Amino acid sequence: GAGVSQSPSNKVTEKGKDVELRCDPISGHTALYWYRQSLGQGLEFLIYFQGNSAPDKSGLPSDRFSAERTGGSVSTLTIQRTQQEDSAVYLCASSWSDTLYEQYFGPGTRLTVT
Amino acid sequence: QQQVKQSPQSLIVQKGGISIINCAYENTAFDYFPWYQQFPGKGPALLIAIRPDVSEKKEGRFTISFNKSAKQFSLHIMDSQPGDSATYFCAAGKNFGNEKLTFGTGTRLTIIP
Repeated sequence: GAGVSQSPSNKVTEKGKDVELRCDPISGHTALYWYRQSLGQGLEFLIYFQGNSAPDKSGLPSDRFSAERTGGSVSTLTIQRTQQEDSAVYLCASSWSDTLYEQYFGPGTRLTVT
Repeated sequence: QQQVKQSPQSLIVQKGGISIINCAYENTAFDYFPWYQQFPGKGPALLIAIRPDVSEKKEGRFTISFNKSAKQFSLHIMDSQPGDSATYFCAAGKNFGNEKLTFGTGTRLTIIP
């Protein structure tokens, strides 16, 4: 089947605007993760979903960031009032619940805030 | 406590040579250590992983060496090929109650002919 897909692949937005990033996990994967990858940096954990609930939101950098997951499938990461420091590649990953660490990544959304 | 330190930041190796990337961790509760490979414009892909009950794991040309007492682990790529040119990330995770992975900052590997 298809891998993890993310949309849009690229997003350019003006400072202060809201953006929504979408992730479609692999069918049947119950665990879903969001990470952020800044230039020259590793992957920074943002939030983890098990089904529709988020047991770990500890990585969300501020209250401008939020995420939801519906139907145990698609997830949306929303960034309100975007700032230039939000510019990064946002990566989504999914896994089976019994192999939480075998995370399969999507291609990412490159967000540029001007 | 949650950091994973990776070195070098970039590495150039001649075709056929051995590429070695090192990582060190602080949290002794970590019990899963994967390596990911990322090509430009793609998401990271799981390459190989190890748990601390073994000191080495080999899959094809890729080997992870693990030193629990030193809290270090490394990736060795034998007979490096131009197609191995990519960015490599080490990571660490803790079973039960903290499923997220903590990633190193990445190593950009270039294999030259």
